[in-house]
Amino acid sequence: KQEVTQIPAALSVPEGENLVLNCSFTDSAIYNLQWFRQDPGKGLTSLLLIQSSQREQTSGRLNASLDKSSGRSTLYIAASQPGDSATYLCAVSRGGGADGLTFGKGTHLIIQP
Amino acid sequence: EAGVVQSPRYKIIEKKQPVAFWCNPISGHNTLYWYRQNLGQGPELLIRYENEEAVDDSQLPKDRFSAERLKGVDSTLKIQPAELGDSAVYLCASSPLHEQFFGPGTRLTVL
Repeated sequence: KQEVTQIPAALSVPEGENLVLNCSFTDSAIYNLQWFRQDPGKGLTSLLLIQSSQREQTSGRLNASLDKSSGRSTLYIAASQPGDSATYLCAVSRGGGADGLTFGKGTHLIIQP
Repeated sequence: EAGVVQSPRYKIIEKKQPVAFWCNPISGHNTLYWYRQNLGQGPELLIRYENEEAVDDSQLPKDRFSAERLKGVDSTLKIQPAELGDSAVYLCASSPLHEQFFGPGTRLTVL
């Protein structure tokens, strides 16, 4: 059974810092990996999708990397802003194509102004 | 482009009562998912539809949960009867192929 772990569970940093969120998964036979953010009381917003053949994806100040062989992904946030405060969730596909996602518990991020 | 729409946003019921959640996916997305998210946890898949067909319902508690997706567009998830442990956020997502897009969720409180 696939298990996804996110470290740290919570993180608080001053505005402007660069930071890294970690995600690990036990079964390396994934199809893709997706990073989401969730604001309190809201649904999930897709940030980045990395397919198994890719090593990284970038969107603005966000960069996600994937190392399938070691079962790890990182989300790098550059020049953090208070608006980045949210819970960040990592999820992997259970099989091919449109299979359901297996999620970690998330990293609760607070950016101090 | 309109996102995934869910209603109601909040629902409070007493245990043993029935409850239903509605989802309208993004236009053109053939795949639809229902997830349940407990407090402090990541979402867990309940059921996946490809058009009208439920292709993965292995995690759906079939004794009290049911779902349907008539005409391959809107979907309804029902719980009957609800139990205290069903209190959670129920999320609907849709996908055109690989990336999943989520709705705002329905927060269910069972008293």
